[in-house]
This record gives sequence, C-alpha cells and structure tokens, in this order.
Amino acid sequence: DAGVTQSPTHLIKTRGQQVTLRCSPKSGHDTVSWYQQALGQGPQFIFQYYEEEERQRGNFPDRFSGHQFPNYSSELNVNALLLGDSALYLCATQGGLRSGANVLTFGAGSRLTVL
Amino acid sequence: GQSLEQPSEVTAVEGAIVQINCTYQTSGFYGLSWYQQHDGGAPTFLSYNGLDGLEETGRFSSFLSRSDSYGYLLLQELQMKDSASYFCAVSRTGGYQKVTFGIGTKLQVIP
Repeated sequence: DAGVTQSPTHLIKTRGQQVTLRCSPKSGHDTVSWYQQALGQGPQFIFQYYEEEERQRGNFPDRFSGHQFPNYSSELNVNALLLGDSALYLCATQGGLRSGANVLTFGAGSRLTVL
Repeated sequence: GQSLEQPSEVTAVEGAIVQINCTYQTSGFYGLSWYQQHDGGAPTFLSYNGLDGLEETGRFSSFLSRSDSYGYLLLQELQMKDSASYFCAVSRTGGYQKVTFGIGTKLQVIP
C-alpha cells in the first residue's frame, strides 16, 4: 500500500517564476492538506481540500492556490515566487471522519529553492 | 488566534526518560497530537489525545489536560534513533479539522 507520494522531490526556481507541486494521497484518504515548512520551523498550514473544494485556508496570500482532482490527488501552485517561498512543502492526507481522521499521513515533501 | 509553546531543544542520555511539554491556546480545541520528524524526513504520527489522560504506545506516552491547556510527550528507554524533532499539534473543531503545529522540540540523545 503506497503512502503519500509527492513530486518533484527537489526543484530550483528563480524569483517571479511559477511552480506546481503534486501529491497523491494514501489509499483510502480523501482529504489533502498542504503545509509549508521553513528550516527549523514547524509545518505551517496552507490549505485543505476535500471533494475537490478548498475547505480551509491558512494565512497565505492568493499567490498560493491549489486543486484537487476526482481521484483525490492534489496540486499546489505558487505564482510570482519570492525568495521567502523557499521551503519544504509537505502534503498530508487524512481518511474520512470515521477512519482515523485525526491522523495526518505526510509525504516526503518537495523542497523548493527560490534564487 | 492560536499559539503553541514547546521547548526548542532538549538533550537526554540514552536509556533515560524525557518529557516534552506543550502548552496551547486555541478556540474550538478538539485534540492534541504528536509527530516525530528526523532530519531530512517527513513528520510521522506518534500519538493523539482527544480526552484527558494518558495514552501509551510502546515506549512513547502522551498526556493531555484540557482544563490546563497542557500536554506532554514522554519517551522512555531512550535510544539514539529517537534523536529527532518532536512537534505538538492541535486540532480544532469545525468539520474537517485543521491541524496547527508548534515550532518543534529538537531532541538530542547522547551516549
């Protein structure tokens, strides 16, 4: 049973560019959350998707957007990249409310470097 | 708003016991979780407390006091592989729970 998979694992962009990160959830999980983790910090909540809709959002600007597909996979898009966007981007998935919804399963992350 | 406080660093000796405390302030509190993250790795779930009291999972235990807005993670029989960052995280009510993480406690286990 594959866990949460993310791609790409590493990428380098320059300021002003756009990036798309991808996440495939663990089998049986339908809720996807994205987190940004700067070096030495805890994961910061970006947003959460369920049934192809953004359900909740953290304190991130509109440059950060996402999408969830019918197969529950998800994308995170960041436009007009800034140096401060350099971080590890983590995808975390959860099952339905009746099946361990309190447990987040994380992917290995996509490490973004903005030059 | 929300806030979580936990020590930034803890050092403990192999074979010993260590306790990592977490205090939180949040509206609509639902539960407290703990995650472990090794350098270069992803956070992995350790424990969840939705009710007051102690939850035990092998060498790890977690405690919650909702009235004190306080919890802790207890690691027993420390091993070198326990060196990692440990995050407390709060879940809030309101449908699909948003999980908010603390800054993490970096645990160093020394021989």
